[in-house]
Amino acid sequence: EVQLVESGGGLVQPGRSLKLSCAASGFTFSNYGMAWVRQTPTKGLEWVASISTGGGNTYYRDSVKGRFTISRDNAKNTQYLQMDSLRSEDTATYYCARQSRSSHWFAYWGQGTLVTVSS
Amino acid sequence: DVQMTQSPSNLAASPGESVSINCKASKSISKYLAWYQQKPGKANKLLIYSGSTLQSGTPSRFSGSGSGTDFTLTIRNLEPEDFGLYYCQQHNEYPDTFGAGTKLELK
Repeated sequence: EVQLVESGGGLVQPGRSLKLSCAASGFTFSNYGMAWVRQTPTKGLEWVASISTGGGNTYYRDSVKGRFTISRDNAKNTQYLQMDSLRSEDTATYYCARQSRSSHWFAYWGQGTLVTVSS
Repeated sequence: DVQMTQSPSNLAASPGESVSINCKASKSISKYLAWYQQKPGKANKLLIYSGSTLQSGTPSRFSGSGSGTDFTLTIRNLEPEDFGLYYCQQHNEYPDTFGAGTKLELK
């Protein structure tokens, strides 16, 4: 059974950093691209970042470029999202998602971890 | 970025009825559209990808159609478990973008 379990969310002050983790199981992690998607009540679902199977290719939405870094450790079956210079508009539930092998729809999602950026 | 306009925002129906949800892209995305179901306390569920391909495990009462800019998700013979939120997503180009969602409620 495919499982994606996020961790690392919480309350953080504007300008500070937070690192999210996503532990994967039930599939060969190194064979799939991975992504982070966030959701707020006002903006809905927003793709944040994606990473290729080996980690050599990364993609970001414009609003997080230069502030967020997606990475993965295939030996640990885990992907990460390092979030620096956090802003109030980054407040959201962050989901880990597995991409398909041929395109970037998301066949599996985690349950999400809440990040709240507030002073 | 490709803007995805999803309609209607809300939909009320009864079990056994059929409903359709529409998604319009701001430019052609070929066939590359996915549909998801979201329910409280559960992981998002992929229903359809590439416009009309059912994900393994998706009941046959779900169908997807369309290409280019206009797409439709149709659910026939609604079951009680079908009520929830539905989102479309274009997976033709980065950044991936989603529709605003449709809340399917019990009438």
